Amino acid sequence: DTEVTQTPKHLVMGMTNKKSLKCEQHMGHRAMYWYKQKAKKPPELMFVYSYEKLSINESVPSRFSPECPNSSLLNLHLHALQPEDSALYLCASSQLGYGYTFGSGTRLTVV
Amino acid sequence: ILNVEQSPQSLHVQEGDSTNFTCSFPSSNFYALHWYRWETAKSPEALFVMTLNGDEKKKGRISATLNTKEGYSYLYIKGSQPEDSATYLCAPHWANNLFFGTGTRLTVIP
Repeated sequence: DTEVTQTPKHLVMGMTNKKSLKCEQHMGHRAMYWYKQKAKKPPELMFVYSYEKLSINESVPSRFSPECPNSSLLNLHLHALQPEDSALYLCASSQLGYGYTFGSGTRLTVV
Repeated sequence: ILNVEQSPQSLHVQEGDSTNFTCSFPSSNFYALHWYRWETAKSPEALFVMTLNGDEKKKGRISATLNTKEGYSYLYIKGSQPEDSATYLCAPHWANNLFFGTGTRLTVIP
């Protein structure tokens, strides 16, 4: 299996909702990443997990809460989001920073 | 934050034409440069990972060169086809992270 699988592909949520984005890989990669991409902008790093420990948090608001339950799974818990948080959320994994593989993303709309 | 610039931002070419794009990045503390091809609603697809100054890599009709001393990389597409239409992203690898450029959106007109 050489893929990164993200679910759901699309999500619409209200500003008071709590939802989670999921990401899964079975390539044995020990680093996993969340990126946020707004239209016509480059993907921006949000979080990096290395060996299931959060190693980089790029000053992301606390309404985004990452979780890495094991080396194959990465979640992003969402709570009290704002409309400006609407974006494409990409998950990626790599073998210690080399050879990144990306998922196809979750398109999030906050209403 | 790493400043990565790609040009042009968008490009329309006729089928069969050859084309190239530029990625420029800070040359200090360089580790590696990644090129990705990203079609709408799909995952970014890795094209190349380049590490050495003067490196040149090729995959079918697509090739790339790297100059780490001056901080730039070129991506070339020979004989563009409609299926080459996509956004091409470069991403220098720095401090255990990829920093993406804004991409070049290529449209190949049949």
